[in-house]
Amino acid sequence: GENVEQHPSTLSVQEGDSAVIKCTYSDSASNYFPWYKQELGKRPQLIIDIRSNVGEKKDQRIAVTLNKTAKHFSLHITETQPEDSAVYFCAASMRGNTPLVFGKGTRLSVIA
Amino acid sequence: DAGVIQSPRHEVTEMGQEVTLRCKPISGHNSLFWYRQTMMRGLELLIYFNNNVPIDDSGMPEDRFSAKMPNASFSTLKIQPSEPRDSAVYFCASTLIRANTEAFFGQGTRLTVV
Repeated sequence: GENVEQHPSTLSVQEGDSAVIKCTYSDSASNYFPWYKQELGKRPQLIIDIRSNVGEKKDQRIAVTLNKTAKHFSLHITETQPEDSAVYFCAASMRGNTPLVFGKGTRLSVIA
Repeated sequence: DAGVIQSPRHEVTEMGQEVTLRCKPISGHNSLFWYRQTMMRGLELLIYFNNNVPIDDSGMPEDRFSAKMPNASFSTLKIQPSEPRDSAVYFCASTLIRANTEAFFGQGTRLTVV
């Protein structure tokens, strides 16, 4: 089955700096790669996703890149703000009727 | 729609007791997942259903865990008997079966077994 590795497990950045979180996956058949943000005591919520037919997607300060050949994808947050502090999870799945397999998460702290 | 609804939000029980967690998926969704979250193991998939049918329960840790989905709007996860190592946050998520769709999570049930 699919295996998703995520690095780093913790990340501290100064407010205004960029943050990058990287994930690798094992199953070349995976074609959907979402990123979830989980604030303390709350549920994971989707912030951005990418499908295998594109290499990059942006949404304001957030971007995700995908390299299918190398089987890795990354989340980039620019101009970080204190409210970006949370745990971020990457995930991968094959098509829509198989479950998401999650990475272990990255705890991001943005220091004001 | 109110989103995925889980109950209870918090559950404290004694070791050996039966625990039942409940989930109501988003109306119209036909795929439902149960995840367990701990600091050590992150978000682990326990079991998932497509059209109320269990597809893969290989993530269920032991026979003490069981899950049912009697209809499209309700699912339960039962632990009998419960043990302290079952303490975790249990999330239910639902989605619509088609290529590449978002999974929506419930608020989770924080289970503490003492």
